[in-house]
Amino acid sequence: QLQLQESGPGLVKPSETLSLTCTVSGGSISSSNYYWGWIRQPPGKGLECIGNIYYSGTTYYNPSLKSRVTISVDTSKNQFSLKLSSVTAADTAVYYCARVSSVSSLMDVWGQGTTVTVSS
Amino acid sequence: EIVMTQSPATLAVSPGERATLSCRASQSVSSNLAWYRQKPGQAPRLLIYGASTRATGIPARFSGSGSGTEFTLTINSLQSEDFAVYYCQQYNNWWTFGQGTKVEIK
Repeated sequence: QLQLQESGPGLVKPSETLSLTCTVSGGSISSSNYYWGWIRQPPGKGLECIGNIYYSGTTYYNPSLKSRVTISVDTSKNQFSLKLSSVTAADTAVYYCARVSSVSSLMDVWGQGTTVTVSS
Repeated sequence: EIVMTQSPATLAVSPGERATLSCRASQSVSSNLAWYRQKPGQAPRLLIYGASTRATGIPARFSGSGSGTEFTLTINSLQSEDFAVYYCQQYNNWWTFGQGTKVEIK
C-alpha cells in the first residue's frame, strides 16, 4: 500500500527557507502514471496547492508562490522535496504531500501532514 | 483561478439523518470535481472523484452528483465518523479547493 511521509523542521525563522521532504513507500516515485505534489493548510483555513513535480523533474507551481518555490525529486531515494524561500508568518501551515494522477490530475493519496511554524 | 464556493459553511445534522452539501465553481470544471473528508488532525481523505464515483473503500452512503459548475455531496444515514469538514476540489484547471463545510452533530 502506497504511503507518503513528510519530514522537516517544525520551526523556521522569518526570511529563511522552509525545507520539507516527502518519502514515498510502497510504490515507485518514477512511475509515469503520477505526479507528486505539495499542498498546505494554514491554521483554521482551507487548502492551497503549492505545486507538483513529475519524476523527470518537470514542475508546475502555483503562480501566487512561484517566485519563492522550488520542488525537486530524488528518484534514487524515492523522495521529493519542497523549498519555500523568504518565509513569513503567513507561511505557517500544515504541509501535505500527495500523489497526483498524471491521467486524471486527481490527488488520491496524501501524507499525514507536518506542521511548520514561522516564528523568530 | 477557478474559485470554488461551498455552502453552507456549517451544517448541523442528527446521527442517522441525511446531509446535503453544495459546491459551486466560478467556471465549468466539467466532471473534474472531487470531495474530501477531513477529520481533526488528519489529512483529507478522498471520498468522491469524477463528481460521482466513490473512491476505493468509501461506503455507499456517500454519493456525488453534478457537472459543470454545480455539485452536490449527499451523505445518507450519518455515522459518528462523518462529523467532520468536507472539501470540494476542482482538478480541471490547476487544483483549487472550496473553503469547506463543517458537518456537526445537531
